[in-house]
Amino acid sequence: EDKVVQSPLSLVVHEGDTVTLNCSYEVTNFRSLLWYKQEKKAPTFLFMLTSSGIEKKSGRLSSILDKKELFSILNITATQTGDSAIYLCAVDGGSQGNLIFGKGTKLSVKP
Amino acid sequence: NAGVTQTPKFRVLKTGQSMTLLCAQDMNHEYMYWYRQDPGMGLRLIHYSVGEGTTAKGEVPDGYNVSRLKKQNFLLGLESAAPSQTSVYFCASSYRVGPQAFGPGTRLTVT
Repeated sequence: EDKVVQSPLSLVVHEGDTVTLNCSYEVTNFRSLLWYKQEKKAPTFLFMLTSSGIEKKSGRLSSILDKKELFSILNITATQTGDSAIYLCAVDGGSQGNLIFGKGTKLSVKP
Repeated sequence: NAGVTQTPKFRVLKTGQSMTLLCAQDMNHEYMYWYRQDPGMGLRLIHYSVGEGTTAKGEVPDGYNVSRLKKQNFLLGLESAAPSQTSVYFCASSYRVGPQAFGPGTRLTVT
C-alpha cells in the first residue's frame, strides 16, 4: 500500500530558528513529490520535486528530494510567526494524478 | 481568475438529510478532486474526475456520490448524512501534470 509519512507531527520553535521538516514515502509508481502550506483555509502550493538532488528554493524556504532513499526535506530558515502553519507533503503515485498525502507537520513559531 | 471556488462555506445537517457541495474552477483544468480533512488524518481522497462525464472512486468513497456534467464543475453529494461525515471538504483541480489548486473548503457538521 502506498504511503507518505511526515515527521515530526508538530514542532514549536522561536522566531529566527531554522527548521527541517521530513517526508518519507513508499509509492509504487513515483512521479513527483509536492509540498503545500496550510494556514486557516486551503492548502497553497510551495514546491514540486521530480528529480533527485536538485534544490528548489523560494525565499527562506527550500526543498530537496532523494529518490534513492525515498524522502524529501523542507527547510525554513530565519523563521517568522507567519510561517506558523501545517505543512503537507504529497506524492503523485502516477494513478491519474491522485495525490497521497501525509498527515502533515504543524509548525508553531513563537515570537 | 477566481481559481477554485466552493459553495457553501459552512453547513449544518441533521442525520439522514441530504446535500450537494458545488466546486467550480475557471482554469480549464481537466482533473478535479474531492478530499475530506479530519484532525490527525491529513487529506483523504473521496472521488475524482479526469474529464467531463467521468468519475472514479478514491480512498474513502462510501456515503458520497459525484457528478461532472460540465468541465468546470464537480459536485459532491451526500444522500443520507451521518455524523461520521462531519469534516472539512476541499475541492481541487489540476492539469494532468502539475500541482493541484485547492478551493477554500466547506466545513460540514452533521448532528
